[in-house]
Amino acid sequence: GNSVTQMEGPVTLSEEAFLTINCTYTATGYPSLFWYVQYPGEGLQLLLKATKADDKGSNKGFEATYRKETTSFHLEKGSVQVSDSAVYFCALTGSSASKIIFGSGTRLSIRP
Amino acid sequence: DAGVTQSPTHLIKTRGQHVTLRCSPISGHKSVSWYQQVLGQGPQFIFQYYEKEERGRGNFPDRFSARQFPNYSSELNVNALLLGDSALYLCASSPRGGTDSYEQYFGPGTRLTVT
Repeated sequence: GNSVTQMEGPVTLSEEAFLTINCTYTATGYPSLFWYVQYPGEGLQLLLKATKADDKGSNKGFEATYRKETTSFHLEKGSVQVSDSAVYFCALTGSSASKIIFGSGTRLSIRP
Repeated sequence: DAGVTQSPTHLIKTRGQHVTLRCSPISGHKSVSWYQQVLGQGPQFIFQYYEKEERGRGNFPDRFSARQFPNYSSELNVNALLLGDSALYLCASSPRGGTDSYEQYFGPGTRLTVT
């Protein structure tokens, strides 16, 4: 079945450091790929998405490229801020778009 | 515009009891999905409803049921609660169902604790 595997956390970085959170997936067909973010005390928010191979999703300085050849969708940001501290979830929808399949989440903490 | 709202915010129940969680979607959205998020894990899909019909079901026991009302709000019911049902229950709404339903907007969740 479809599944998502993402980098285990927690990840702790200093402010202005470069961020990569790895995500790989297993899916039949052509899934849509997502990164969701969950800030402390808040609900899940869609951060970015990509719906076909080689698409790049971007938002708030974060980027991820849909790589079909490596079945990956790694999240990157060039310079992180303390306000980026949150839990990040990689996710996909397959043939059943009603069902989002989430990874286990990566907790990111940014030190001032 | 108001986002997805859920009630109650927190709930404590005893094993064997029944619980009802409620969700109001964003105005104009006709699809509601429910997810269970156990502490330290990603959300797991439970149900999707669109136009008051069940359109998807995850791998959860029959103790879990849901329905959607004519105003598109939804209830999630869990019978015979187990300790393992303790989790954050998330509701998400989207404008449409089926293959266009990936644009899902999540509510803040209901934290259920079973003792």
